[in-house]
Amino acid sequence: QKEVEQDPGPLSVPEGAIVSLNCTYSNSAFQYFMWYRQYSRKGPELLMYTYSSGNKEDGRFTAQVDKSSKYISLFIRDSQPSDSATYLCAMTRISGNTPLVFGKGTRLSVIA
Amino acid sequence: AAGVIQSPRHLIKEKRETATLKCYPIPRHDTVYWYQQGPGQDPQFLISFYEKMQSDKGSIPDRFSAQQFSDYHSELNMSSLELGDSALYFCASRGGMNEKLFFGSGTQLSVL
Repeated sequence: QKEVEQDPGPLSVPEGAIVSLNCTYSNSAFQYFMWYRQYSRKGPELLMYTYSSGNKEDGRFTAQVDKSSKYISLFIRDSQPSDSATYLCAMTRISGNTPLVFGKGTRLSVIA
Repeated sequence: AAGVIQSPRHLIKEKRETATLKCYPIPRHDTVYWYQQGPGQDPQFLISFYEKMQSDKGSIPDRFSAQQFSDYHSELNMSSLELGDSALYFCASRGGMNEKLFFGSGTQLSVL
């Protein structure tokens, strides 16, 4: 079993829809959680970063962490065609230089 | 703002040849990570360096080596290339105890 599980999709939604992306993880040592957006053949771009359970909001994006369930989510409100990309969850342990462990990524298409 | 710079953007090699990928981290970032991403796959951690010393090792083949130089740039050296080495290679950097990882645009390596 991979340390981080993420449904690869693809996920297709109409413009304006609310999108919910999710990851589960098995290692309780993970304390820092990130969501990256990756356009085709481009480098992953950091979208959201959080380290505590609860919600963190940034514009149309909300990151949610439930450490007791080992479950994280990214919500996208009022989705736009420009949101079409692959979304990767990533997480790391508490010590400073440990590498990120990624989910497989969910491919999202927002249809105009 | 300055980002992580990788070169070259594209590289075509034949089997058994060697390749060198370069990474220039964000200024004042002291930690560099190398990831390999196959088509439709999540990024796989290869190796990382902190203050010019190797800090973590992932699934890097013995045919590959890397180092971080005094100016903090890093090079990934790949020898005896195989068809399966064709992938996107990303470099990412991090500064201090900040867990946020910032990625370059990647080098697309094609082994023919």
